[in-house]
Amino acid sequence: NAGVTQTPKFQVLKTGQSMTLQCAQDMNHEYMSWYRQDPGMGLRLIHYSVGAGITDQGEVPNGYNVSRSTTEDFPLRLLSAAPSQTSVYFCASRPSFSSYNEQFFGPGTRLTVL
Amino acid sequence: ILNVEQSPQSLHVQEGDSTNFTCSFPSSNFYALHWYRWETAKSPEALFVMTLNGDEKKKGRISATLNTKEGYSYLYIKGSQPEDSATYLCAFWGGSNYKLTFGKGTLLTVNP
Repeated sequence: NAGVTQTPKFQVLKTGQSMTLQCAQDMNHEYMSWYRQDPGMGLRLIHYSVGAGITDQGEVPNGYNVSRSTTEDFPLRLLSAAPSQTSVYFCASRPSFSSYNEQFFGPGTRLTVL
Repeated sequence: ILNVEQSPQSLHVQEGDSTNFTCSFPSSNFYALHWYRWETAKSPEALFVMTLNGDEKKKGRISATLNTKEGYSYLYIKGSQPEDSATYLCAFWGGSNYKLTFGKGTLLTVNP
């Protein structure tokens, strides 16, 4: 199993540009989520999905959209990039919505918005 | 927003020292407490998922305890090695939502 994969690894955007961060998992996990990691802030939840077709907002959803058309994929869209969205983004998955299961993280995407 | 606190923020120890750090979380509506190990330039990896008051888990030289009534968990590392250098994160699941709330982590540096 490849586990949780993310692309790209690095990205530089200009303010106002849009882009999609890709996330895929091959473990047949129902639950997937996106976090951003900023210095001194820890991991903050952006959006999550408890299954195909179901998404919900996390702690810091503004400026981001998600969709979950398949179990495997959970892309994160930046609608109009802002410098405040410069961060490292992690996708994660676990077998179900229950947090009795450990969570598996992707390798991260480092995004810089100029 | 749930408050998950980790202390200390950072810690430097010598190779061979034993060390421990703390995760504090709300003591009501407890469901689970996770510990993750996060090495620089990598992604977090799960160490333990703890669900019952009094739980003790062990993996090699690393162990953890859980007190849900008072809202804390300890992570212990016995005989620290340089390869233990990492940020150790705890994450709390409580209440009726599906969200894990992470602490900011304890950065451990083990000097050879």
